[in-house]
Amino acid sequence: GQNIDQPTEMTATEGAIVQINCTYQTSGFNGLFWYQQHAGEAPTFLSYNVLDGLEEKGRFSSFLSRSKGYSYLLLKELQMKDSASYLCAVRDNAGNMLTFGGGTRLMVKP
Amino acid sequence: SQTIHQWPATLVQPVGSPLSLECTVEGTSNPNLYWYRQAAGRGLQLLFYSVGIGQISSEVPQNLSASRPQDRQFILSSKKLLLSDSGFYLCAWSVGGGAEQFFGPGTRLTVL
Repeated sequence: GQNIDQPTEMTATEGAIVQINCTYQTSGFNGLFWYQQHAGEAPTFLSYNVLDGLEEKGRFSSFLSRSKGYSYLLLKELQMKDSASYLCAVRDNAGNMLTFGGGTRLMVKP
Repeated sequence: SQTIHQWPATLVQPVGSPLSLECTVEGTSNPNLYWYRQAAGRGLQLLFYSVGIGQISSEVPQNLSASRPQDRQFILSSKKLLLSDSGFYLCAWSVGGGAEQFFGPGTRLTVL
């Protein structure tokens, strides 16, 4: 099975940098996804890591260490609109299923 | 381009009533299809997924069922709703073989 842990809530200041961590223990691994979900809306894809290292996409970056079962999402130059839940998800070996963590609710304050 | 539709957007149903939620995808063929449920303030729980017409895999035993009568149509049903069935139901699709999943707008179900 899959076990995925993320902090429940985080607070950060507009313009700052925040790092959201995700740890996983899985029976299989074939990639890790980060999604953003605003309240009442569907999740939207942010990033994907399958190899170790950092993937950068504008203000957002995601890091993966497979040996440590660890990933983080880094958000730079925070904006008020970044207030949302951030979901970490691990894909199984067959590639058909994602298992989601409980999500981290980020509140950006002025 | 691909789009995914869900309806209804919101639904209020009494305990013991039946349920039918529909999801359709446009602009792609033979997608993998998924049903998730999200309780308030929680993560996504995978309920069912399908890799083809008539092929349904269930992840969580409960009083829900799913069907895929057509390639791009996925239906979530229940014969008798429970209070615990309340939540935000999301349909998603992906290209077979494990690409990212794209989510529909969701259905917010309240069982009273």
